[in-house]
Amino acid sequence: GQNIDQPTEMTATEGAIVQINCTYQTSGFNGLFWYQQHAGEAPTFLSYNVLDGLEEKGRFSSFLSRSKGYSYLLLKELQMKDSASYLCAVRDFYNQGGKLIFGQGTELSVKP
Amino acid sequence: DVKVTQSSRYLVKRTGEKVFLECVQDMDHENMFWYRQDPGLGLRLIYFSYDVKMKEKGDIPEGYSVSREKKERFSLILESASTNQTSMYLCASTTTETSRGFYEQYFGPGTRLTVT
Repeated sequence: GQNIDQPTEMTATEGAIVQINCTYQTSGFNGLFWYQQHAGEAPTFLSYNVLDGLEEKGRFSSFLSRSKGYSYLLLKELQMKDSASYLCAVRDFYNQGGKLIFGQGTELSVKP
Repeated sequence: DVKVTQSSRYLVKRTGEKVFLECVQDMDHENMFWYRQDPGLGLRLIYFSYDVKMKEKGDIPEGYSVSREKKERFSLILESASTNQTSMYLCASTTTETSRGFYEQYFGPGTRLTVT
């Protein structure tokens, strides 16, 4: 079956670093996405990994290991505005139309 | 700037009513999706469409139907609304043309539907 797991909640301190993990089991793999969603708003795209390794974009980095079915999102120099839900999603190679399978999301709270 | 719009941000309907949720994208994307989002359950795919007049069932299509008569517009229909369809509904679109980036999904602002 298709399954994507990520922690439900995390708490971190302003200025710190936090790592949000995601593990997946899917029938195929054609890329992993991270989205950020603030309360009451639409998800917005953060990062995309299709090959193993680290992708860095400013304060945010995303890592992928295809052999382990594992990814993480790393947020550095945390700011209060980073308090949001972070969604991990996998594109299953065998599906049409760019369909994504989403995890439940990780609610991150950044405290002063 | 890419844009996905949904017809309403908030909607209140009565049990048994027929409900239409509209989604429009201006990016000439081939693929469009309807999700519902509930606490603890994440985003669940209801239906998607990869071309005009084409539709595919997602993970939870029961109680819903869709219509895609034009490329830019994808409608979600609740034939007879029930209280368990109270949820946040999100529309998204993407392209799979190889020249157009990562093919990430772009989301609309969402419609919070309450069925009483």
